[in-house]
Amino acid sequence: QQQVKQSPQSLIVQKGGISIINCAYENTAFDYFPWYQQFPGKGPALLIAIRPDVSEKKEGRFTISFNKSAKQFSLHIMDSQPGDSATYFCAASNGQGKLIFGQGTELSVKP
Amino acid sequence: DVKVTQSSRYLVKRTGEKVFLECVQDMDHENMFWYRQDPGLGLRLIYFSYDVKMKEKGDIPEGYSVSREKKERFSLILESASTNQTSMYLCASRPTGIDYGYTFGSGTRLTVV
Repeated sequence: QQQVKQSPQSLIVQKGGISIINCAYENTAFDYFPWYQQFPGKGPALLIAIRPDVSEKKEGRFTISFNKSAKQFSLHIMDSQPGDSATYFCAASNGQGKLIFGQGTELSVKP
Repeated sequence: DVKVTQSSRYLVKRTGEKVFLECVQDMDHENMFWYRQDPGLGLRLIYFSYDVKMKEKGDIPEGYSVSREKKERFSLILESASTNQTSMYLCASRPTGIDYGYTFGSGTRLTVV
């Protein structure tokens, strides 16, 4: 079963625009929610992460918004750049150290 | 620079062959993981290990086994390769006791014909 559902599957954004990727989870025991970024030919790399005791975390142009009651979290990329074009994965962990990943979103930022 | 190294970037094997995928990390991490990545399905956990000689099944262990004889090396074994095991395989490692930031290798793209 898919415990973390991610949408959209693909996203095209103009340079300078805002990219938004959404994830929903089922297991209320999850306590850690990272986002990974993957460029072609590379493994995923940790981008930003949040714990459920905060509703938002910002690092540069990347922001995670977290809604505990709705069991949803999202990644916002402000002022999107062509170099942000990659596949993005959300994930969740319940403290046992293993991550459950979403299906992935292929982001393309057009110049 | 810390690294997770997967021995092969591309691999083509025949149906029924026994296949070994090797992963080595140089960060002294206790925890290691094998995922497979398929379009539209994301990353799915096959097996993981918290310590030498320890292994635990992930979400899709059928048709796979693993070996961890040394801390730095975690091997994924396909006992009898089948075409539905054609996929990208990703190895990752993580230290114990801090936020769960995985370090991934670059992946092995396996094609079973």
